[in-house]
Amino acid sequence: AAGVIQSPRHLIKEKRETATLKCYPIPRHDTVYWYQQGPGQDPQFLISFYEKMQSDKGSIPDRFSAQQFSDYHSELNMSSLELGDSALYFCASSLGRAEQGGELFFGEGSRLTVL
Amino acid sequence: GIQVEQSPPDLILQEGANSTLRCNFSDSVNNLQWFHQNPWGQLINLFYIPSGTKQNGRLSATTVATERYSLLYISSSQTTDSGVYFCAVESKTSGSRLTFGEGTQLTVNP
Repeated sequence: AAGVIQSPRHLIKEKRETATLKCYPIPRHDTVYWYQQGPGQDPQFLISFYEKMQSDKGSIPDRFSAQQFSDYHSELNMSSLELGDSALYFCASSLGRAEQGGELFFGEGSRLTVL
Repeated sequence: GIQVEQSPPDLILQEGANSTLRCNFSDSVNNLQWFHQNPWGQLINLFYIPSGTKQNGRLSATTVATERYSLLYISSSQTTDSGVYFCAVESKTSGSRLTFGEGTQLTVNP
């Protein structure tokens, strides 16, 4: 079965650079979520989109932005990178609004290292 | 926001042993999921279980929504069961997000 596809899987950037992560949800899934997992921590919710509109916002820095496109894929843009942004970034998708209690499926994650 | 507490934080077992992991949450939930994060960082869906009981092979889970807790049972543990087990919930009152507990680090020794 098709899963959530994230790219790139690994990314190395210098401080103050910009990075873009991409997420392709499971076909027919209309809701996308982004999570950040620092070393030794649990995943923290950043932002979500339902039908290409932002549906919820968590602890996402102002330096980060995201959007969902007409084909339902999503991109997370991170600017002015800091050492503390080094983390595993997960994308997840679900069918239907999260308020309906839909099951989330996670991608394999994109590991960002900021030097 | 909703609070999610997992216990124990760490668990070391010998291969073949059984274990129970617990997840307590502070509010009514629409969604509760259990995940296994393997050593490569992948989050593997184990159960979608906002209420009731489910079983999948050596794993089973029970959620008692009225008492705000969930249990994950692992029987006849194997070394490949090692990793971090996360419980994550979506509150009925705090928007469309899963909130994760801090996880249980499981180590299964041969």
